[in-house]
Amino acid sequence: RKEVEQDPGPFNVPEGATVAFNCTYSNSASQSFFWYRQDCRKEPKLLMSVYSSGNEDGRFTAQLNRASQYISLLIRDSKLSDSATYLCVVNDNQGGKLIFGQGTELSVKP
Amino acid sequence: SAVISQKPSRDICQRGTSLTIQCQVDSQVTMMFWYRQQPGQSLTLIATANQGSEATYESGFVIDKFPISRPNLTFSTLTVSNMSPEDSSIYLCSVEDRRAGDGYTFGSGTRLTVV
Repeated sequence: RKEVEQDPGPFNVPEGATVAFNCTYSNSASQSFFWYRQDCRKEPKLLMSVYSSGNEDGRFTAQLNRASQYISLLIRDSKLSDSATYLCVVNDNQGGKLIFGQGTELSVKP
Repeated sequence: SAVISQKPSRDICQRGTSLTIQCQVDSQVTMMFWYRQQPGQSLTLIATANQGSEATYESGFVIDKFPISRPNLTFSTLTVSNMSPEDSSIYLCSVEDRRAGDGYTFGSGTRLTVV
């Protein structure tokens, strides 16, 4: 089983659609969780951290379910500029090591 | 967020040669991380570099192949030694970024092609 597993992509959606990304992680001792965005030929950039209480930033909502070891990201009213690969990332707390999911590519079409 | 200057941004190298990648951070950080992203893949941690001690390597990566220096709290280098085409990847450095909450910031990456 992969340490961090994401929905296989790609997701092709029209502008304005709501998109949900799912992620599971295997290490129950993990403490920090993130969603990163990676544009083609660019470095990953932090989109948002994920907290147990859930958090929202504009059109983006992240949820964490520790019991199920499950993380989600919801994008509402998707824009063309949301097209990118979304990476689910877990900090296994062993010296700050980040474990990356394989990424899910999103393509938002007009 | 922290600003990381990584160079070179790209290079094409002959097999058997070595390339040293540099990362400079605009603030002092305890740990710096080096990742590899192979074509079509996600990121894999190579090693963690602490100032004043030897780097800690992940399974599958060894110091002879990927020597790392960490001479101070703002700078680190990763060398890819005796390169083969299989080393063609993007290499990225990263730091824990207190200015970005509890996230991590990445350098812009070095795109390496070995021919």
